[in-house]
This record gives sequence, structure tokens and C-alpha cells, in this order.
Amino acid sequence: AQSVTQPDIHITVSEGASLELRCNYSYGATPYLFWYVQSPGQGLQLLLKYFSGDTLVQGIKGFEAEFKRSQSSFNLRKPSVHWSDAAEYFCAVGDPGGYNKLIFGAGTRLAVHP
Amino acid sequence: DGGITQSPKYLFRKEGQNVTLSCEQNLNHDAMYWYRQDPGQGLRLIYYSQIVNDFQKGDIAEGYSVSREKKESFPLTVTSAQKNPTAFYLCASSIVLAGNYEQYFGPGTRLTVT
Repeated sequence: AQSVTQPDIHITVSEGASLELRCNYSYGATPYLFWYVQSPGQGLQLLLKYFSGDTLVQGIKGFEAEFKRSQSSFNLRKPSVHWSDAAEYFCAVGDPGGYNKLIFGAGTRLAVHP
Repeated sequence: DGGITQSPKYLFRKEGQNVTLSCEQNLNHDAMYWYRQDPGQGLRLIYYSQIVNDFQKGDIAEGYSVSREKKESFPLTVTSAQKNPTAFYLCASSIVLAGNYEQYFGPGTRLTVT
């Protein structure tokens, strides 16, 4: 079965520092990959997605992610973190079993120090 | 504005009572989903529906029920059979199209059962 692993449960960075959130997936073919962000007590907002083509995808709020097939990874990056980026981040992969379902990772909670 | 509405934002119930969570969308999406979110566990799929009057069980459907009488609405009932109903519940919708996995999320309902 397909799965998504986010190895880091909690990450703390200083404001202005760079950020990389890790995501690994298990799937044989080219996956459909997503990063969502969730502010406390809110719903999820799509940051970016990868279906095919250029392996470096740009998203909203200055985020980008790189698909690396050889490492089964889709890590999220931001060159300079802002205090407003503090949130929980979820990586997800499209479930090829039908019904357009998503399989989510457990999430990474990001804290930003001033 | 197009979007997904979930009401109420906070819901409190006594143990043994059934409770229904509302989810309405005006995005004209055919597919709708219900997720449960617990700390450290990501999002787990409860039920999903791709068309009116049809729905399927997700990974954790026990103790829950849904209906899909209208395209815009997908209410979730948490029954007294659900052993641990206190959680954050998220509703989502998407376009039904081959290879489209992008889902749009509502703001969520936090249910507390005592």
C-alpha cells in the first residue's frame, strides 16, 4: 500500500533561517504529490503540487519543493522563514486505488523563533 | 465567494448522543470527503462520495455515518458507537477527473464529547 512518511514531527527554526521539511513516499509509478499547510484550528491550504514535468515546483508564500524519484522524496523548502510560517505542514500523495483519494503523512509542526 | 463551509466550529456533546456535523460547498465539486484529525496522526479518511446518493467507507468508518442527498452537502453523523469521538473533523471536496487529486478543505469542526 502507498504511504507517506514525514520523519520530523516538530522543527524549530529562527526567523530568517532557511527551512527544509522532509517527505518520503512509497509508490512504484510517478506519484501525484502535494504539500498542504494548516494554521492552528484551521483547515488545510494547498501550498504546491507535483504531477509531472519540472521536478522543482514553486508554490505560494515563497515555498518550493523538489521531486527526487531516486530518493522517493518530495521535500519542501523555503530560503527565509517568516514568523507567520509557523504552522503544521502535511505532505500527501494521490492514492492510485481510485476515487481521487489522498494519503497524508502525519505532519510536521513548525515553530519559528524571533 | 466559492468555498466549503463547516458548522459549527466548536461542538460539545455528552457521551451517548449522536451528533451531526455540517459540510456545504458551492464549488460545484462532485466529490466530497470527511477526515478525522488527531494530534500526531495526520488526516484519516472516514467517508467519501463522488456522486449524489453514493458514498464509500474510508479507513476509519466505524461509528460514523453520512448521507449525500444533494451535490452541495455531505453531513457526517458521529454516532454513540464511535468509541473516541473527540477530534477535529475536516471536510474536503474535489473535481472528479482522472488524475486530479487536489482537494479543497473547509475550516473544520472541533468536536468534544464528555
